[in-house]
Order: sequence, then structure tokens, then C-alpha cells
Amino acid sequence: QIQLVQSGAEVKKPGASVKVSCKASGYTFTSYGINWVRQAPGQGLEWMGWISTYSADTRYAQKLQDRVTMTTDTSTSTAYMELRSLTSDDAAVYYCARSIAARRCDYWGQGTLVTVSS
Amino acid sequence: QSALTQPASVSGSPGQSITISCTGTSSDVGGYNYVSWYQQHPGKAPKLMIYDVSNRPSGVSNRFSGSKSGNTASLTISGLQAEDEADYYCSSYTSSSTLNFGGGTKLTVL
Repeated sequence: QIQLVQSGAEVKKPGASVKVSCKASGYTFTSYGINWVRQAPGQGLEWMGWISTYSADTRYAQKLQDRVTMTTDTSTSTAYMELRSLTSDDAAVYYCARSIAARRCDYWGQGTLVTVSS
Repeated sequence: QSALTQPASVSGSPGQSITISCTGTSSDVGGYNYVSWYQQHPGKAPKLMIYDVSNRPSGVSNRFSGSKSGNTASLTISGLQAEDEADYYCSSYTSSSTLNFGGGTKLTVL
């Protein structure tokens, strides 16, 4: 069955960076892209960006494009999202989701809680 | 990119039908048939319920249906059940090749 398994919860200090992984299984990794979506406590879903697992092309949300980098490792079917210069506003659950050209998210990871605290 | 506009909350009794709206612009909802709807229960990851305006993924109940008119998309849930109580989000592909989400709607089953 199709699964996206994300790395565990992280606690970071303001100004630090976090890198979340998302390991895919049950389908051909390079046939679908990966969206990254985050959800702050009690808030809605926020699209962060998309990466093509085939070409490594990326599209980022304008508000995050200076701080976020999305990459993939096709040898392990794993996608990564790194967010730098963390502030308290970045505290959220981060999700990866399988996607076709950023049009929808059909399978989701379980989420990774990122806490930002001094 | 501004978030798509959804009502903050809707409610209905078991067996009834409810509709959740999702309003965007001609640069997103109105311009593409790439509107999706997601259901999210507390503490869980979102689940895709409708894609490409009106298509249901395998395994999703036919009580869920989607439609679009102009810049507004809608999700209708018929025969409301207690298990439908959740948050619902719409999303749309945009002219900037990005994805835009709605603010979310809390569905309460009375």
C-alpha cells in the first residue's frame, strides 16, 4: 500500500534550521511529486511548496522561498524539506503529500511536529 | 496568494445534507478544474475526499460530491453521519503554478 513516513518530532531554537524527511513506498517514487504543507496549532493548512521527484524542479510559496529548500533522494525514495532561520511562527505540524504537478495531495504523511522554543 | 474563502463553520443533523463553499478568483478556482477537498479529523492528517472538482478517490463514500460554478466550488455531504464531523479544506491550483488552500470549515453534526 502507498505510504509516506515522516521523521520524528523536532525541538529547535529560534534562528536554527530543521530538516524533515518523508520516505515513500508502495508506488514509483519518480512518477509523482511531493507537496509540503504545514499547519500551525489551531490553524488551517498552508502550502509550502512542491518538488518534482523526476526532475528536482521546485516551486515555493512566495513567503517562504528565501528560507526553504526541498530536495529528494531517488535512491531511497525520500523527500526532504529544510526550513532555515526558524521563528515561533514556524512552529507547526509539517506534512508531506504525494502530488501530481502540485494540483492535489492524494496521500499524506503522518505529520512531523516542529516546536520552536528558546 | 490569498487563501480561498470558506465559511468558518457549518452544521447539520444526521441524515441531512450540507454544502460547504470555497470562493477564489479567476486565477485559481475559476481558472482551473483542479479543486480538491480534504477531510481532517482532530490530530490526524488530512484525507483527500474530492479531486478535480467532482471526482472521488477510490474508497470515498458517494455521499460526498463536488461541483463548481465560476469562482466558487462546493462540497456537498448528503445523509450526514456522526463520523463526518471534522474540518474540511478546499484547495485549488493557481495561475502561479502553486497550490492555494481555503481557511477551513468546521462541520458539526448535531
